[in-house]
Amino acid sequence: AQSVAQPEDQVNVAEGNPLTVKCTYSVSGNPYLFWYVQYPNRGLQFLLKYITGDNLVKGSYGFEAEFNKSQTSFHLKKPSALVSDSALYFCAVREGGANNLFFGTGTRLTVIP
Amino acid sequence: GAVVSQHPSWVICKSGTSVKIECRSLDFQATTMFWYRQFPKQSLMLMATSNEGSKATYEQGVEKDKFLINHASLTLSTLTVTSAHPEDSSFYICSARERHFSLNNEQFFGPGTRLTVL
Repeated sequence: AQSVAQPEDQVNVAEGNPLTVKCTYSVSGNPYLFWYVQYPNRGLQFLLKYITGDNLVKGSYGFEAEFNKSQTSFHLKKPSALVSDSALYFCAVREGGANNLFFGTGTRLTVIP
Repeated sequence: GAVVSQHPSWVICKSGTSVKIECRSLDFQATTMFWYRQFPKQSLMLMATSNEGSKATYEQGVEKDKFLINHASLTLSTLTVTSAHPEDSSFYICSARERHFSLNNEQFFGPGTRLTVL
């Protein structure tokens, strides 16, 4: 069985400060990990993914995430937050060979000017 | 590339009527499309997986007779909410995966359809 946990419903950060949105996962096989962002009344936009290779993955809009196998985590980070980064962020996992994604409950990021 | 559209973007209907939502892959062929439902302030819940030319696979607890899914071509899947009721009001999102699927491919998501049943 696969599962994803996003322990924080809400993250607030001041503009210009670094941000972190946490995600931990559980899969029985090799994990394929994804981050998506959702703006109000919109679908999901792909940010980045980890399939294999370097543990640090760089994605869209200056975001990056680090795959940590021992901690089964895939936290999303950005060195300097923008007000426009305020949105709902979803972590998702897919087991190797599985067909569909399993999503976390989402974390609402608010960047305060 | 890899654009997925949904139509309509929002719809309001009366209780008891049926509503059809279209999901199209605009610049790629999608053998597999997924339908999700999202309640306010909650995550996406997978409703069903549809493969072109075959019957959809529904997740546990999803009524297949209420949520009819058709995937008649490599670029179009439809979700029909039959005899809609207020509790069916939700945000419905589709996603598509390319025909030449590799394990590295992520799903491409549509913009969503907001359904309100009065």
